[in-house]
Amino acid sequence: DAGVIQSPRHEVTEMGQEVTLRCKPISGHNSLFWYRQTMMRGLELLIYFNNNVPIDDSGMPEDRFSAKMPNASFSTLKIQPSEPRDSAVYFCASSLGQGDIYEQYFGPGTRLTVT
Amino acid sequence: GQQLNQSPQSMFIQEGEDVSMNCTSSSIFNTWLWYKQEPGEGPVLLIALYKAGELTSNGRLTAQFGITRKDSFLNISASIPSDVGIYFCAGQRKGGSEKLVFGKGTKLTVNP
Repeated sequence: DAGVIQSPRHEVTEMGQEVTLRCKPISGHNSLFWYRQTMMRGLELLIYFNNNVPIDDSGMPEDRFSAKMPNASFSTLKIQPSEPRDSAVYFCASSLGQGDIYEQYFGPGTRLTVT
Repeated sequence: GQQLNQSPQSMFIQEGEDVSMNCTSSSIFNTWLWYKQEPGEGPVLLIALYKAGELTSNGRLTAQFGITRKDSFLNISASIPSDVGIYFCAGQRKGGSEKLVFGKGTKLTVNP
């Protein structure tokens, strides 16, 4: 089975531009998580969905960030307008989202550089 | 907010040596997970622990869920060069949501 798929793997953009990151979770998983990783702050949870519904977006930095999950197999994280401080690696992860199973499986990440 | 204290921050060892790292918290956790991250990749799940006192192995890796539910350790026996990477612990808090709390990671370097 394919793991979590993320695209693009690398994104370089100029400040002020819109950036859209994409994620396809593992088939059959009901929960999807967006993380940001930096040297300074480590892994930070931005938002997570269960059954396509946003459950907790308390980690979203500000209104410039938005996330959607229109169906069970696709999610996007959008930054508009982007700023240099948004440069980081963004990970998507998915989990079964049922019962007491909390194992999350991560995608390969998108390395975002905002100049 | 809740934090996981992971130690050590980094380790430099010789090939063949055993490695031990741990995570502690002031909160009780229902689940402990251990991940490994290599450069340019996402974290990969190594071991999941669900019961206090549980000891689980995955090849040369052994992890334990502390009896107090506030700590966990990961051991790697007979290290090899491909063990290099950053190891993260993560916990799911008792009574909490699906959110995981992550430690800051232990960076392992293995000298051949």
